[in-house]
Amino acid sequence: DQQVKQNSPSLSVQEGRISILNCDYTNSMFDYFLWYKKYPAEGPTFLISISSIKDKNEDGRFTVFLNKSAKHLSLHIVPSQPGDSAVYFCAAGTANAGKSTFGDGTTLTVKP
Amino acid sequence: DAGVIQSPRHEVTEMGQEVTLRCKPISGHDYLFWYRQTMMRGLELLIYFNNNVPIDDSGMPEDRFSAKMPNASFSTLKIQPSEPRDSAVYFCASSFYGGKTPLHFGNGTRLTVT
Repeated sequence: DQQVKQNSPSLSVQEGRISILNCDYTNSMFDYFLWYKKYPAEGPTFLISISSIKDKNEDGRFTVFLNKSAKHLSLHIVPSQPGDSAVYFCAAGTANAGKSTFGDGTTLTVKP
Repeated sequence: DAGVIQSPRHEVTEMGQEVTLRCKPISGHDYLFWYRQTMMRGLELLIYFNNNVPIDDSGMPEDRFSAKMPNASFSTLKIQPSEPRDSAVYFCASSFYGGKTPLHFGNGTRLTVT
């Protein structure tokens, strides 16, 4: 049973437009959600997070939205830049547990 | 801090050989994780440690895999004997408090078993 799902393996957008990456989860115990970005030949790097007590968190061009009733979160990148081209992983965990569960990732391509 | 350091970056070995992957976490981080990335299974957690103690090894595929953390600054993941299906990128990550705090990943070890 895959508890964190990223149903879109890939996404392509034009530079300057909005990128929206989606993530669904099944475990209602998750109370902390994180997004990571991964470039080829590098490890994932942390991008932005949100706890379940919030429905939105913003950091510069990146905003994460959480819809607890739908068990859905999304990452918005505005405006998108070619340097944003990478694989984006959604992860979920509980504040009192050690581990995070990752989705399979979405490959974002931003075209100049 | 130099970040999480993994070695080697690449490992090519023959089926049946022993493979040892190494990791140095960020100083002060209490949690250490070993992940494996494959095309078929995405990024899967193999095992994690808290204060050098293994907490959850339910992701370790089989007895051929073992992991140790003899001290706060070093961990190993060993595969013996290795098989072609073990070919993957293995990541080590560390964090302060586990699930709710961001993980800091190393750059991974790309393992190829022929």
